[in-house]
Amino acid sequence: EDQVTQSPEALRLQEGESSSLNCSYTVSGLRGLFWYRQDPGKGPEFLFTLYSAGEEKEKERLKATLTKKESFLHITAPKPEDSATYLCAVQEWRVQGAQKLVFGQGTRLTINP
Amino acid sequence: GAVVSQHPSWVICKSGTSVKIECRSLDFQATTMFWYRQFPKQSLMLMATSNEGSKATYEQGVEKDKFLINHASLTLSTLTVTSAHPEDSSFYICSGTRAEQYFGPGTRLTVT
Repeated sequence: EDQVTQSPEALRLQEGESSSLNCSYTVSGLRGLFWYRQDPGKGPEFLFTLYSAGEEKEKERLKATLTKKESFLHITAPKPEDSATYLCAVQEWRVQGAQKLVFGQGTRLTINP
Repeated sequence: GAVVSQHPSWVICKSGTSVKIECRSLDFQATTMFWYRQFPKQSLMLMATSNEGSKATYEQGVEKDKFLINHASLTLSTLTVTSAHPEDSSFYICSGTRAEQYFGPGTRLTVT
């Protein structure tokens, strides 16, 4: 069974203080690993998809990386508007049937001004 | 990106009544849509997979007679919570798939 574990559960940083969020996963065959941002009371907003170990993607202050067992979401010089819950999800290769996502519990990130 | 809308964004209903939630893909066609439920401070739990023109596939533990899903077209899926009870109060989110899954803004259901 696919499993996704995110750490830490919550993280408080000062504005400008860089850090990383971790997503460890177990899946029989990885089709893709996804990062989403979710603000309170809203649906998840797509950030990145990573498909193979060694792949990296960047968007503004965020960079996502992938190994065979985990993914990191690096946040550089964060601003208060980066405060949100960051969700990691994996998608398993399937010959047929829907491509379901399995989500981790998320990391609640708070950036203090 | 791709845009998914949900209606209503917030609904209160009395116990025993039914509530319908609409999910629309606005700028793409979604052969498959997914319905999730999210409780406070918890992650998304997949309820069912909705395929256009066919019956939905429900996850283990989800009552298909209680959560009726209809995927009438490539841009519209509906979730009807029948005979709602207070324990059904939750945040319901749908998604449509293009290359990735794009999520709607969610519907907050409160059953009194």
